[in-house]
Amino acid sequence: DGGITQSPKYLFRKEGQNVTLSCEQNLNHDAMYWYRQDPGQGLRLIYYSQIVNDFQKGDIAEGYSVSREKKESFPLTVTSAQKNPTAFYLCASSPWTDSNQPQHFGDGTRLSIL
Amino acid sequence: DAKTTQPTSMDCAEGRAANLPCNHSTISGNEYVYWYRQIHSQGPQYIIHGLKNNETNEMASLIITEDRKSSTLILPHATLRDTAVYYCTISGGYQKVTFGTGTKLQVIP
Repeated sequence: DGGITQSPKYLFRKEGQNVTLSCEQNLNHDAMYWYRQDPGQGLRLIYYSQIVNDFQKGDIAEGYSVSREKKESFPLTVTSAQKNPTAFYLCASSPWTDSNQPQHFGDGTRLSIL
Repeated sequence: DAKTTQPTSMDCAEGRAANLPCNHSTISGNEYVYWYRQIHSQGPQYIIHGLKNNETNEMASLIITEDRKSSTLILPHATLRDTAVYYCTISGGYQKVTFGTGTKLQVIP
């Protein structure tokens, strides 16, 4: 089945450590996105990528970094500069066309900083 | 980015139609209205989208007003499995989407 795989589902890290969240898609979508969700809140866009080797900052990019070396993969690194990294992180993908297509989401990674 | 306004929460009796409203008064001419839902601790699931005409699929119907400043998502026969947070979003061709806090729909037996 085609879809988006995020791993791990739960992640624990010590304060001050960088941590990388994985996101892989086999939908052949051009665009990929990372969102952050805090309890009782909506989704906020961290970074997005329209094409391999290119990405753009979203609304809350500070303290995060991404790479897009392959079409299928869009890993997110939460750096020690992110002041409050504990949250639910969601990855999504979509075709990048002018015809407007919905985003497909993974099941998320819940990050907790100890 | 265009923003949307939705009620914080709604209740619906099981088997009845659930009508979820959304205001998007700043929508631009080329922006679509999308609806997603999120069941607790899962990723959002796409439901339906439209530009200016009403749309229907196997999950729901979308009614967009003529001035496009508001829309309503209709779940024709709500079940307990429809209990979720429903997000109304606006997206243009560049696909940058803003998600608000959504409407928490509780389907009551």
